[in-house]
Amino acid sequence: DAKTTQPPSMDCAEGRAANLPCNHSTISGNEYVYWYRQIHSQGPQYIIHGLKNNETNEMASLIITEDRKSSTLILPHATLRDTAVYYCIVRVALSYGGSQGNLIFGKGTKLSVKP
Amino acid sequence: EPEVTQTPSHQVTQMGQEVILRCVPISNHLYFYWYRQILGQKVEFLVSFYNNEISEKSEIFDDQFSVERPDGSNFTLKIRSTKLEDSAMYFCASIAGGLHGNEQFFGPGTRLTVL
Repeated sequence: DAKTTQPPSMDCAEGRAANLPCNHSTISGNEYVYWYRQIHSQGPQYIIHGLKNNETNEMASLIITEDRKSSTLILPHATLRDTAVYYCIVRVALSYGGSQGNLIFGKGTKLSVKP
Repeated sequence: EPEVTQTPSHQVTQMGQEVILRCVPISNHLYFYWYRQILGQKVEFLVSFYNNEISEKSEIFDDQFSVERPDGSNFTLKIRSTKLEDSAMYFCASIAGGLHGNEQFFGPGTRLTVL
Protein backbone atom coordinates (compact mmCIF):
# COMPACT_ATOMS: atom_id res chain seq x y z
CA ASP A 1 0.00 0.00 0.00
CA ALA A 2 1.01 3.59 -0.59
CA LYS A 3 2.74 5.20 2.39
CA THR A 4 1.30 8.63 1.76
CA THR A 5 -2.00 10.39 2.41
CA GLN A 6 -3.39 13.02 0.08
CA PRO A 7 -6.76 14.79 -0.14
CA PRO A 8 -8.86 13.18 -2.87
CA SER A 9 -9.59 16.43 -4.67
CA MET A 10 -8.81 20.14 -4.77
CA ASP A 11 -9.86 23.13 -6.83
CA CYS A 12 -7.69 26.04 -7.86
CA ALA A 13 -8.40 29.21 -9.81
CA GLU A 14 -6.44 29.69 -13.00
CA GLY A 15 -3.39 31.88 -12.44
CA ARG A 16 -3.31 31.25 -8.70
CA ALA A 17 -0.88 29.04 -6.86
CA ALA A 18 -1.95 25.45 -6.30
CA ASN A 19 -0.69 23.97 -3.04
CA LEU A 20 -1.05 20.21 -2.86
CA PRO A 21 -0.36 18.64 0.55
CA CYS A 22 0.95 15.16 1.26
CA ASN A 23 1.36 13.38 4.54
CA HIS A 24 4.11 10.78 4.88
CA SER A 25 4.46 10.44 8.62
CA THR A 26 6.19 7.04 8.45
CA ILE A 27 8.86 8.11 5.97
CA SER A 28 12.31 6.61 6.57
CA GLY A 29 15.51 8.61 6.60
CA ASN A 30 16.62 7.17 3.26
CA GLU A 31 13.33 7.70 1.42
CA TYR A 32 12.81 10.46 -1.09
CA VAL A 33 9.53 12.23 -1.79
CA TYR A 34 8.53 12.07 -5.46
CA TRP A 35 5.67 13.84 -7.19
CA TYR A 36 4.10 12.69 -10.43
CA ARG A 37 0.95 13.71 -12.21
CA GLN A 38 -1.36 12.00 -14.65
CA ILE A 39 -3.36 14.03 -17.12
CA HIS A 40 -6.50 12.17 -18.12
CA SER A 41 -5.36 8.65 -19.14
CA GLN A 42 -1.85 9.61 -20.22
CA GLY A 43 1.28 8.10 -18.71
CA PRO A 44 2.34 9.53 -15.34
CA GLN A 45 4.67 12.50 -15.67
CA TYR A 46 7.57 13.16 -13.32
CA ILE A 47 7.38 16.57 -11.63
CA ILE A 48 9.95 16.86 -8.87
CA HIS A 49 11.54 15.00 -5.98
CA GLY A 50 13.45 15.80 -2.80
CA LEU A 51 15.01 14.29 0.28
CA LYS A 52 14.94 17.02 2.93
CA ASN A 53 15.75 20.33 1.31
CA ASN A 54 13.18 22.34 -0.57
CA GLU A 55 13.45 21.92 -4.31
CA THR A 56 12.38 24.00 -7.30
CA ASN A 57 12.38 23.32 -11.01
CA GLU A 58 10.65 24.76 -14.04
CA MET A 59 7.42 22.95 -13.22
CA ALA A 60 6.99 23.28 -9.48
CA SER A 61 8.40 23.76 -5.99
CA LEU A 62 8.55 21.11 -3.30
CA ILE A 63 8.46 22.13 0.33
CA ILE A 64 9.36 19.39 2.83
CA THR A 65 8.80 20.01 6.54
CA GLU A 66 11.78 19.83 8.82
CA ASP A 67 10.60 16.55 10.37
CA ARG A 68 9.96 15.23 6.83
CA LYS A 69 6.55 13.94 7.81
CA SER A 70 4.74 16.04 5.23
CA SER A 71 5.36 18.01 2.08
CA THR A 72 3.62 20.44 -0.24
CA LEU A 73 3.84 20.62 -3.99
CA ILE A 74 3.39 24.15 -5.26
CA LEU A 75 2.39 25.02 -8.81
CA PRO A 76 3.04 28.78 -8.73
CA HIS A 77 0.66 29.86 -11.49
CA ALA A 78 -1.79 27.08 -12.27
CA THR A 79 -3.19 26.82 -15.78
CA LEU A 80 -6.06 24.78 -17.15
CA ARG A 81 -3.49 22.30 -18.48
CA ASP A 82 -2.42 21.55 -14.91
CA THR A 83 -5.74 19.81 -14.30
CA ALA A 84 -4.64 16.27 -13.45
CA VAL A 85 -4.29 13.68 -10.70
CA TYR A 86 -1.19 14.41 -8.60
CA TYR A 87 0.60 11.57 -6.85
CA CYS A 88 2.96 11.88 -3.90
CA ILE A 89 5.18 8.79 -3.57
CA VAL A 90 7.96 7.98 -1.13
CA ARG A 91 10.75 5.70 -2.27
CA VAL A 92 14.34 4.86 -1.44
CA ALA A 93 17.02 5.66 -3.97
CA LEU A 94 17.46 3.15 -6.77
CA SER A 95 19.60 0.17 -5.72
CA TYR A 96 19.59 1.26 -2.08
CA GLY A 97 18.92 -1.87 -0.06
CA GLY A 98 18.07 -3.69 -3.25
CA SER A 99 15.41 -1.22 -4.38
CA GLN A 100 14.57 -1.67 -8.03
CA GLY A 101 12.93 1.72 -8.28
CA ASN A 102 9.35 0.66 -8.80
CA LEU A 103 6.74 3.17 -7.74
CA ILE A 104 3.74 2.42 -5.54
CA PHE A 105 0.90 4.73 -6.54
CA GLY A 106 -1.94 5.75 -4.27
CA LYS A 107 -5.13 7.43 -5.38
CA GLY A 108 -3.56 10.88 -5.52
CA THR A 109 -5.24 14.28 -5.51
CA LYS A 110 -7.44 15.25 -8.41
CA LEU A 111 -6.64 18.92 -9.03
CA SER A 112 -9.19 20.88 -11.02
CA VAL A 113 -8.02 24.25 -12.28
CA LYS A 114 -10.98 26.46 -13.06
CA PRO A 115 -11.11 29.59 -15.23
CA GLU B 1 13.62 15.72 -25.54
CA PRO B 2 13.98 11.89 -25.45
CA GLU B 3 10.84 10.02 -24.53
CA VAL B 4 9.51 6.53 -23.98
CA THR B 5 7.35 5.31 -26.85
CA GLN B 6 4.79 2.51 -26.89
CA THR B 7 2.98 0.64 -29.63
CA PRO B 8 0.23 0.08 -30.41
CA SER B 9 -1.73 2.84 -28.75
CA HIS B 10 -4.82 0.63 -28.68
CA GLN B 11 -5.03 -3.15 -28.96
CA VAL B 12 -8.26 -5.10 -29.16
CA THR B 13 -8.09 -8.86 -28.74
CA GLN B 14 -10.28 -11.86 -28.07
CA MET B 15 -10.16 -13.62 -24.73
CA GLY B 16 -7.58 -16.40 -24.79
CA GLN B 17 -5.41 -14.78 -27.44
CA GLU B 18 -1.79 -13.80 -26.94
CA VAL B 19 -0.81 -10.15 -27.11
CA ILE B 20 2.56 -8.43 -27.18
CA LEU B 21 2.84 -4.83 -26.09
CA ARG B 22 5.91 -2.98 -27.25
CA CYS B 23 7.96 -0.22 -25.70
CA VAL B 24 11.08 1.65 -26.70
CA PRO B 25 12.65 3.09 -23.54
CA ILE B 26 14.89 6.15 -23.59
CA SER B 27 18.14 5.06 -25.22
CA ASN B 28 20.67 5.35 -22.38
CA HIS B 29 18.33 4.07 -19.68
CA LEU B 30 19.15 0.87 -17.80
CA TYR B 31 16.05 0.09 -15.70
CA PHE B 32 12.72 -0.81 -17.27
CA TYR B 33 9.22 -1.24 -15.90
CA TRP B 34 5.69 -2.20 -16.78
CA TYR B 35 2.64 -0.87 -14.95
CA ARG B 36 -1.04 -1.23 -15.61
CA GLN B 37 -4.09 0.86 -14.79
CA ILE B 38 -7.55 -0.63 -14.91
CA LEU B 39 -10.11 2.03 -15.80
CA GLY B 40 -10.87 4.21 -12.80
CA GLN B 41 -8.31 2.50 -10.58
CA LYS B 42 -4.77 3.11 -9.36
CA VAL B 43 -1.63 2.65 -11.39
CA GLU B 44 -0.23 -0.76 -10.39
CA PHE B 45 3.35 -1.99 -10.66
CA LEU B 46 3.81 -5.21 -12.64
CA VAL B 47 7.51 -5.86 -13.17
CA SER B 48 10.95 -4.31 -13.19
CA PHE B 49 13.80 -5.41 -15.47
CA TYR B 50 17.50 -4.74 -15.18
CA ASN B 51 20.61 -6.28 -16.70
CA ASN B 52 18.50 -8.53 -18.93
CA GLU B 53 16.52 -10.13 -16.17
CA ILE B 54 13.48 -9.53 -14.03
CA SER B 55 14.54 -7.80 -10.83
CA GLU B 56 11.16 -7.55 -9.13
CA LYS B 57 7.56 -8.46 -9.89
CA SER B 58 4.20 -8.00 -8.25
CA GLU B 59 1.55 -10.58 -7.50
CA ILE B 60 -0.27 -9.50 -10.64
CA PHE B 61 2.64 -10.64 -12.80
CA ASP B 62 1.81 -14.34 -12.89
CA ASP B 63 2.81 -17.08 -15.35
CA GLN B 64 0.61 -15.55 -18.03
CA PHE B 65 2.96 -12.56 -18.25
CA SER B 66 6.50 -12.37 -19.57
CA VAL B 67 8.90 -9.61 -20.51
CA GLU B 68 11.76 -9.48 -22.93
CA ARG B 69 14.34 -7.07 -24.27
CA PRO B 70 15.04 -8.82 -27.55
CA ASP B 71 17.33 -6.40 -29.34
CA GLY B 72 18.73 -3.79 -26.95
CA SER B 73 16.13 -1.18 -27.78
CA ASN B 74 12.68 -2.75 -27.52
CA PHE B 75 11.14 -3.89 -24.25
CA THR B 76 8.07 -6.09 -24.60
CA LEU B 77 5.30 -7.37 -22.37
CA LYS B 78 3.59 -10.57 -23.47
CA ILE B 79 0.31 -11.85 -22.12
CA ARG B 80 -0.05 -15.48 -23.20
CA SER B 81 -3.77 -16.05 -22.84
CA THR B 82 -5.66 -12.86 -22.22
CA LYS B 83 -8.57 -12.65 -19.82
CA LEU B 84 -11.33 -10.07 -19.65
CA GLU B 85 -9.76 -8.64 -16.50
CA ASP B 86 -6.54 -7.89 -18.38
CA SER B 87 -8.32 -4.98 -20.05
CA ALA B 88 -6.39 -1.92 -18.89
CA MET B 89 -3.90 0.75 -19.85
CA TYR B 90 -0.37 -0.63 -19.82
CA PHE B 91 2.45 1.81 -19.21
CA CYS B 92 6.12 1.22 -19.84
CA ALA B 93 8.69 3.27 -17.93
CA SER B 94 12.45 3.59 -17.68
CA ILE B 95 15.12 5.08 -15.45
CA ALA B 96 18.63 6.08 -16.45
CA GLY B 97 20.16 5.07 -13.13
CA GLY B 98 23.50 5.87 -11.58
CA LEU B 99 24.67 9.44 -11.83
CA HIS B 100 22.22 10.07 -14.65
CA GLY B 101 19.20 10.19 -12.42
CA ASN B 102 16.55 8.18 -10.63
CA GLU B 103 13.53 9.83 -12.20
CA GLN B 104 11.17 7.40 -13.87
CA PHE B 105 9.86 8.38 -17.29
CA PHE B 106 6.63 6.86 -18.56
CA GLY B 107 5.36 6.16 -22.03
CA PRO B 108 1.92 7.20 -23.27
CA GLY B 109 0.49 3.74 -22.68
CA THR B 110 -1.26 1.01 -24.65
CA ARG B 111 -4.96 0.57 -24.09
CA LEU B 112 -5.69 -3.18 -24.12
CA THR B 113 -9.29 -4.24 -24.61
CA VAL B 114 -10.09 -7.93 -24.20
CA LEU B 115 -13.45 -9.01 -25.60
